[in-house]
Amino acid sequence: SQELEQSPQSLIVQEGKNLTINCTSSKTLYGLYWYKQKYGEGLIFLMMLQKGGEEKSHEKITAKLDEKKQQSSLHITASQPSHAGIYLCGADIGETSGSRLTFGEGTQLTVNP
Amino acid sequence: DTEVTQTPKHLVMGMTNKKSLKCEQHMGHRAMYWYKQKAKKPPELMFVYSYEKLSINESVPSRFSPECPNSSLLNLHLHALQPEDSALYLCASSQERWPPTNEKLFFGSGTQLSVL
Repeated sequence: SQELEQSPQSLIVQEGKNLTINCTSSKTLYGLYWYKQKYGEGLIFLMMLQKGGEEKSHEKITAKLDEKKQQSSLHITASQPSHAGIYLCGADIGETSGSRLTFGEGTQLTVNP
Repeated sequence: DTEVTQTPKHLVMGMTNKKSLKCEQHMGHRAMYWYKQKAKKPPELMFVYSYEKLSINESVPSRFSPECPNSSLLNLHLHALQPEDSALYLCASSQERWPPTNEKLFFGSGTQLSVL
């Protein structure tokens, strides 16, 4: 089973609409990362969250990590076509040295003008 | 310079060919990574180098051979690949080996590999 569950898998919104993407784990997250990827290209770092209850914003994107550190949400306000792409959450699932950054399956976002 | 540069961007090779993927960063990062990403799937870790030494090998087949000649360069040598190895290969780097979890990974734009 996937250790990081993202929902929805895909999302189509009209330009100007708000949207939320969720990332959930059954284990405590030791650091939660959000990346954006254009199809066939590299990953662009968006935000990193470490503390329970933490919230960060950059331009029109806000990410939160819940108090239990098992769920994160990414919220985009007044979406634009430039927000389109694949959003990936990544986290350290392991608790010992040698743990690694594991990614969720991604959310494909389409923003229609 | 906050870039991770990967070459080539696209590569087509036959199953008997030998080729290499290259990755370069000049941010002074001491950890470098290879990820493999199949279409519509998340990236999967292959190798991690820390201070030019291999620290993680995620049970990758021997037809993939990583090399870290110095702290700025990371290569992935390919030999006798199979069609199912066709994927986007991503290189990443971080200041120190991830974790600790306050490290950010910088990713390159990837090499799209097709094995015929």
